[in-house]
Order: sequence, then structure tokens, then C-alpha cells
Amino acid sequence: TQLLEQSPQFLSIQEGENLTVYCNSSSVFSSLQWYRQEPGEGPVLLVTVVTGGEVKKLKRLTFQFGDARKDSSLHITAAQPGDTGLYLCAGVPNDYKLSFGAGTTVTVRA
Amino acid sequence: GAVVSQHPSRVICKSGTSVKIECRSLDFQATTMFWYRQFPKQSLMLMATSNEGSKATYEQGVEKDKFLINHASLTLSTLTVTSAHPEDSSFYICSATRHGAGTDTQYFGPGTRLTVL
Repeated sequence: TQLLEQSPQFLSIQEGENLTVYCNSSSVFSSLQWYRQEPGEGPVLLVTVVTGGEVKKLKRLTFQFGDARKDSSLHITAAQPGDTGLYLCAGVPNDYKLSFGAGTTVTVRA
Repeated sequence: GAVVSQHPSRVICKSGTSVKIECRSLDFQATTMFWYRQFPKQSLMLMATSNEGSKATYEQGVEKDKFLINHASLTLSTLTVTSAHPEDSSFYICSATRHGAGTDTQYFGPGTRLTVL
């Protein structure tokens, strides 16, 4: 059983469209991270959110951390084929171990 | 900075043989290293946590006699898959936490694709 639930599991959209990925939990996290992973490579950290209600922007990517620090979302504006990948959220629930969500496979068609 | 490497990147072996995978922190000292396993289109599952100079802590369901972990120095951890079988075929990824950076900042290696025939 994973502490973090991600949805949707798969997402296929046309270039230029927007998308949102959700990461939810019943647990409170001291921080939550979003990673992007391409096939055959390790995950790459995109952002870390720490404060409840925090919003961070990274070019066309917007990350939100819920007020209660139990959920987060990743929104991509005007998606491009280069955004294709597996998006993973991960949190630190209590000890130092990262708990990963199941991941969302995003495919952006040209 | 904070680069983690893995070697080899790919390995194919026969069933019954053992395979060693190395994880190195290239430009920093790693207090703790983690080993994950990932099946196609799935998330990362933590296998074990290794601290330099002490025994690794394995997650529930991970056989410590099958997946031997050695963390001999602050820059190197190794995972040995003993008597590998086809069901051990997977993508193995390590990560390392930087000494003094806080334990939730993990730097990931590029992964090792293991295929057992």
C-alpha cells in the first residue's frame, strides 16, 4: 500500500493542451517532491514544496502544496512533446525515507 | 554538484549467477544511500537503506541474503544480486543523501537495467 496516491495513472494529450497531475494522501508530509523520469534513466528532481499552501512555478510547470500538507498538484501549461515522461511525487512522512506515489505516465503528442 | 553514478548501466546475466551493481557519489560524501527497484511503468520501490560502516536496513519483503548491500565508504555502496533469476530482472536505482543537507534531499543515480536470462 502506497501512502501517496497519484492520478491519473496515464495521460495522453495533444501538444499545446494543459494537464494536471494530482498527488493525495491521508498522511501529513514535512515536504513533498516532484520528479520526472525518462525511460532508462533515474528520476530528476523538479521541485520541493515545504509550506502548506505553497505555489511554485518552474517555467510552464506550476506546483501546489495543499494547506494541510497532505496533497499536491502539478499543472503543465501548453504541454510540449519534451514534457513526455513519468511524473512521480514523493514525500517524507516521518523518518528519512522517501515514499513515492505510483507515478503518472504523461505522453504529449506532436 | 551532487552527482551519483551507477555501474554498470546495463547487465545481462544467466540464471544462477551473481551480479554486483555499484553506486558512487562523485562529488560529495553520502551519509546514506538507498536502493530502489522499479518495474516497467511502475514507481520506485525502496529495497533497503544503507549507512556507511553499518548493516543495511531492508524493507519488508526484501530478502537480505539475496540482495547483499555493502557500504564500504562514504562514496560507494554496492548491491549484489545473488543467484539471480528471471524474476529479478528489473531497473535498479540508487540514491544518496548529502552529508549535512538534510535527509530528505536524495540524489538519484541513472539506474542499472538488469536482465536475467
